[in-house]
Amino acid sequence: GAVVSQHPSWVICKSGTSVKIECRSLDFQATTMFWYRQFPKQSLMLMATSNEGSKATYEQGVEKDKFLINHASLTLSTLTVTSAHPEDSSFYICSAGTGGGQETQYFGPGTRLLVL
Amino acid sequence: AQSVAQPEDQVNVAEGNPLTVKCTYSVSGNPYLFWYVQYPNRGLQFLLKYITGDNLVKGSYGFEAEFNKSQTSFHLKKPSALVSDSALYFCAVRDIRRSNYQLIWGAGTKLIIKP
Repeated sequence: GAVVSQHPSWVICKSGTSVKIECRSLDFQATTMFWYRQFPKQSLMLMATSNEGSKATYEQGVEKDKFLINHASLTLSTLTVTSAHPEDSSFYICSAGTGGGQETQYFGPGTRLLVL
Repeated sequence: AQSVAQPEDQVNVAEGNPLTVKCTYSVSGNPYLFWYVQYPNRGLQFLLKYITGDNLVKGSYGFEAEFNKSQTSFHLKKPSALVSDSALYFCAVRDIRRSNYQLIWGAGTKLIIKP
Protein backbone atom coordinates (compact mmCIF):
# COMPACT_ATOMS: atom_id res chain seq x y z
CA GLY A 1 0.00 0.00 0.00
CA ALA A 2 0.80 3.72 -0.10
CA VAL A 3 2.31 3.74 -3.58
CA VAL A 4 3.12 7.00 -5.31
CA SER A 5 4.05 7.23 -8.97
CA GLN A 6 5.71 10.00 -10.92
CA HIS A 7 5.80 10.60 -14.62
CA PRO A 8 8.01 11.05 -16.48
CA SER A 9 10.97 9.48 -14.72
CA TRP A 10 13.34 11.62 -16.74
CA VAL A 11 13.02 14.39 -19.27
CA ILE A 12 15.38 16.39 -21.44
CA CYS A 13 14.11 19.65 -22.83
CA LYS A 14 15.35 22.77 -24.53
CA SER A 15 15.76 26.01 -22.66
CA GLY A 16 12.59 28.07 -22.72
CA THR A 17 10.16 25.20 -22.91
CA SER A 18 7.79 24.07 -20.18
CA VAL A 19 7.78 20.67 -18.57
CA LYS A 20 4.96 19.05 -16.65
CA ILE A 21 5.56 16.38 -14.02
CA GLU A 22 2.72 14.27 -12.68
CA CYS A 23 2.49 12.78 -9.23
CA ARG A 24 -0.18 10.20 -8.46
CA SER A 25 -1.15 8.34 -5.33
CA LEU A 26 -2.16 4.95 -6.65
CA ASP A 27 -3.86 3.25 -3.74
CA PHE A 28 -4.84 6.00 -1.36
CA GLN A 29 -6.27 9.48 -1.36
CA ALA A 30 -3.74 12.16 -0.65
CA THR A 31 -5.14 15.29 0.89
CA THR A 32 -1.69 16.82 0.83
CA MET A 33 1.12 16.47 -1.65
CA PHE A 34 4.61 17.86 -1.41
CA TRP A 35 7.11 18.79 -4.08
CA TYR A 36 10.82 18.61 -3.40
CA ARG A 37 13.95 19.36 -5.29
CA GLN A 38 17.17 17.52 -4.66
CA PHE A 39 20.61 18.55 -5.81
CA PRO A 40 23.38 15.97 -6.16
CA LYS A 41 24.58 14.63 -2.85
CA GLN A 42 22.30 16.94 -0.94
CA SER A 43 19.22 16.65 1.17
CA LEU A 44 15.70 17.40 0.03
CA MET A 45 14.55 20.96 -0.40
CA LEU A 46 10.83 21.44 0.04
CA MET A 47 9.48 23.59 -2.76
CA ALA A 48 5.78 23.66 -2.04
CA THR A 49 2.87 22.00 -0.32
CA SER A 50 -0.38 21.46 -2.14
CA ASN A 51 -3.76 20.63 -0.74
CA GLU A 52 -6.45 19.26 -2.99
CA GLY A 53 -8.67 22.00 -4.33
CA SER A 54 -6.68 24.92 -3.00
CA LYS A 55 -3.65 26.95 -3.97
CA ALA A 56 -0.25 25.59 -3.20
CA THR A 57 1.87 27.04 -0.44
CA TYR A 58 5.35 27.82 -1.67
CA GLU A 59 8.47 27.88 0.43
CA GLN A 60 10.46 31.05 0.71
CA GLY A 61 12.57 31.66 -2.33
CA VAL A 62 10.58 29.40 -4.66
CA GLU A 63 9.01 31.27 -7.56
CA LYS A 64 5.35 30.33 -7.79
CA ASP A 65 5.08 31.61 -11.35
CA LYS A 66 8.03 29.49 -12.34
CA PHE A 67 6.91 26.30 -10.66
CA LEU A 68 3.18 25.94 -11.19
CA ILE A 69 1.48 23.39 -8.98
CA ASN A 70 -1.99 22.02 -9.46
CA HIS A 71 -3.69 19.56 -7.13
CA ALA A 72 -6.97 18.97 -8.88
CA SER A 73 -7.90 15.68 -7.28
CA LEU A 74 -7.10 13.57 -4.26
CA THR A 75 -4.83 11.36 -6.34
CA LEU A 76 -3.09 13.74 -8.71
CA SER A 77 -0.81 16.73 -8.39
CA THR A 78 1.22 18.28 -11.18
CA LEU A 79 4.30 20.45 -11.19
CA THR A 80 4.96 22.51 -14.30
CA VAL A 81 8.37 24.07 -14.72
CA THR A 82 7.68 27.03 -16.96
CA SER A 83 10.25 28.48 -19.33
CA ALA A 84 12.85 26.07 -18.06
CA HIS A 85 16.49 27.09 -17.95
CA PRO A 86 19.62 25.01 -17.36
CA GLU A 87 19.68 26.03 -13.68
CA ASP A 88 16.32 24.28 -13.28
CA SER A 89 17.98 20.97 -14.05
CA SER A 90 17.53 18.84 -10.97
CA PHE A 91 15.88 15.81 -9.44
CA TYR A 92 12.28 16.57 -8.56
CA ILE A 93 10.49 14.32 -6.09
CA CYS A 94 6.90 14.39 -4.96
CA SER A 95 5.39 12.87 -1.88
CA ALA A 96 1.86 12.31 -0.71
CA GLY A 97 0.51 12.36 2.79
CA THR A 98 -1.93 9.78 4.03
CA GLY A 99 -3.70 12.24 6.24
CA GLY A 100 -4.64 12.19 9.86
CA GLY A 101 -2.63 13.26 12.82
CA GLN A 102 0.25 10.88 12.23
CA GLU A 103 1.06 11.97 8.76
CA THR A 104 3.57 9.85 6.89
CA GLN A 105 4.84 11.01 3.54
CA TYR A 106 5.19 8.45 0.81
CA PHE A 107 7.46 9.35 -2.03
CA GLY A 108 7.38 8.98 -5.75
CA PRO A 109 10.42 7.64 -7.61
CA GLY A 110 11.49 11.10 -8.74
CA THR A 111 11.88 12.88 -12.07
CA ARG A 112 15.25 13.88 -13.39
CA LEU A 113 15.05 17.04 -15.46
CA LEU A 114 17.84 18.15 -17.75
CA VAL A 115 17.43 21.48 -19.48
CA LEU A 116 19.78 22.07 -22.40
CA ALA B 1 14.92 26.62 16.31
CA GLN B 2 13.83 23.21 15.13
CA SER B 3 16.47 21.11 13.47
CA VAL B 4 17.71 17.65 12.66
CA ALA B 5 21.35 16.65 12.62
CA GLN B 6 22.97 13.62 11.07
CA PRO B 7 26.54 14.02 12.26
CA GLU B 8 28.09 11.49 9.89
CA ASP B 9 28.28 12.10 6.17
CA GLN B 10 29.23 8.49 5.61
CA VAL B 11 29.23 5.28 7.60
CA ASN B 12 31.20 2.21 6.55
CA VAL B 13 30.28 -1.20 7.91
CA ALA B 14 31.35 -4.70 7.05
CA GLU B 15 28.64 -7.07 5.92
CA GLY B 16 27.21 -9.04 8.82
CA ASN B 17 28.21 -6.45 11.42
CA PRO B 18 25.69 -4.30 13.26
CA LEU B 19 25.14 -0.82 11.92
CA THR B 20 24.06 2.46 13.46
CA VAL B 21 23.19 5.67 11.65
CA LYS B 22 22.93 8.59 14.03
CA CYS B 23 20.28 11.29 14.23
CA THR B 24 19.69 13.98 16.81
CA TYR B 25 16.92 16.50 16.83
CA SER B 26 15.88 19.76 18.38
CA VAL B 27 12.17 20.50 18.56
CA SER B 28 9.78 21.90 21.09
CA GLY B 29 7.15 19.54 22.34
CA ASN B 30 6.85 15.88 21.49
CA PRO B 31 8.68 14.98 18.29
CA TYR B 32 7.36 12.96 15.39
CA LEU B 33 10.47 11.31 13.95
CA PHE B 34 11.01 9.49 10.67
CA TRP B 35 13.67 7.53 8.82
CA TYR B 36 13.75 7.22 5.05
CA VAL B 37 16.14 5.46 2.69
CA GLN B 38 17.07 6.56 -0.81
CA TYR B 39 18.66 4.30 -3.39
CA PRO B 40 20.58 5.89 -6.30
CA ASN B 41 18.41 7.91 -8.65
CA ARG B 42 15.26 6.94 -6.78
CA GLY B 43 12.74 8.57 -4.52
CA LEU B 44 12.69 7.96 -0.80
CA GLN B 45 11.28 4.90 0.87
CA PHE B 46 9.72 5.10 4.30
CA LEU B 47 11.47 2.91 6.87
CA LEU B 48 9.90 3.71 10.20
CA LYS B 49 8.55 6.42 12.45
CA TYR B 50 8.17 7.27 16.10
CA ILE B 51 5.07 9.07 17.26
CA THR B 52 4.47 7.79 20.76
CA GLY B 53 4.68 4.61 22.79
CA ASP B 54 7.55 2.14 22.88
CA ASN B 55 10.90 3.82 22.42
CA LEU B 56 12.14 1.02 20.19
CA VAL B 57 10.48 1.18 16.82
CA LYS B 58 10.74 -1.62 14.29
CA GLY B 59 10.52 -0.89 10.60
CA SER B 60 11.09 -2.27 7.14
CA TYR B 61 14.00 -4.44 5.98
CA GLY B 62 15.00 -5.37 9.53
CA PHE B 63 15.76 -1.81 10.62
CA GLU B 64 14.84 -0.40 13.97
CA ALA B 65 15.35 2.90 15.73
CA GLU B 66 15.48 3.91 19.34
CA PHE B 67 13.93 7.11 20.55
CA ASN B 68 15.91 8.61 23.42
CA LYS B 69 14.24 11.67 24.82
CA SER B 70 16.99 12.62 27.25
CA GLN B 71 19.62 12.54 24.52
CA THR B 72 17.21 13.88 21.86
CA SER B 73 18.32 11.11 19.55
CA PHE B 74 16.69 8.70 17.15
CA HIS B 75 19.46 6.45 15.88
CA LEU B 76 18.76 3.90 13.17
CA LYS B 77 20.07 0.41 13.76
CA LYS B 78 20.27 -3.02 12.23
CA PRO B 79 21.78 -6.09 13.89
CA SER B 80 23.41 -7.52 10.78
CA ALA B 81 24.15 -5.37 7.74
CA LEU B 82 23.63 -6.49 4.16
CA VAL B 83 25.44 -5.17 1.09
CA SER B 84 22.00 -4.23 -0.26
CA ASP B 85 21.55 -1.84 2.68
CA SER B 86 24.06 0.49 1.02
CA ALA B 87 22.13 3.68 0.32
CA LEU B 88 21.50 7.21 1.51
CA TYR B 89 19.56 7.50 4.78
CA PHE B 90 17.60 10.52 5.89
CA CYS B 91 16.24 11.35 9.32
CA ALA B 92 13.37 13.82 9.56
CA VAL B 93 11.18 15.42 12.20
CA ARG B 94 7.77 16.91 11.80
CA ASP B 95 7.74 20.70 11.89
CA ILE B 96 5.10 21.44 14.51
CA ARG B 97 4.88 25.05 13.36
CA ARG B 98 3.44 23.94 10.03
CA SER B 99 -0.14 22.87 9.50
CA ASN B 100 0.51 20.24 6.84
CA TYR B 101 3.03 18.15 8.73
CA GLN B 102 5.96 19.34 6.68
CA LEU B 103 9.19 17.64 7.58
CA ILE B 104 12.54 19.05 8.59
CA TRP B 105 15.23 16.92 6.99
CA GLY B 106 18.68 15.91 8.05
CA ALA B 107 21.51 16.22 5.57
CA GLY B 108 21.60 12.49 4.96
CA THR B 109 24.13 9.78 5.74
CA LYS B 110 25.62 7.57 3.09
CA LEU B 111 25.82 4.01 4.32
CA ILE B 112 28.33 1.73 2.65
CA ILE B 113 28.28 -1.95 3.46
CA LYS B 114 31.40 -3.76 2.34
CA PRO B 115 31.35 -7.47 1.53
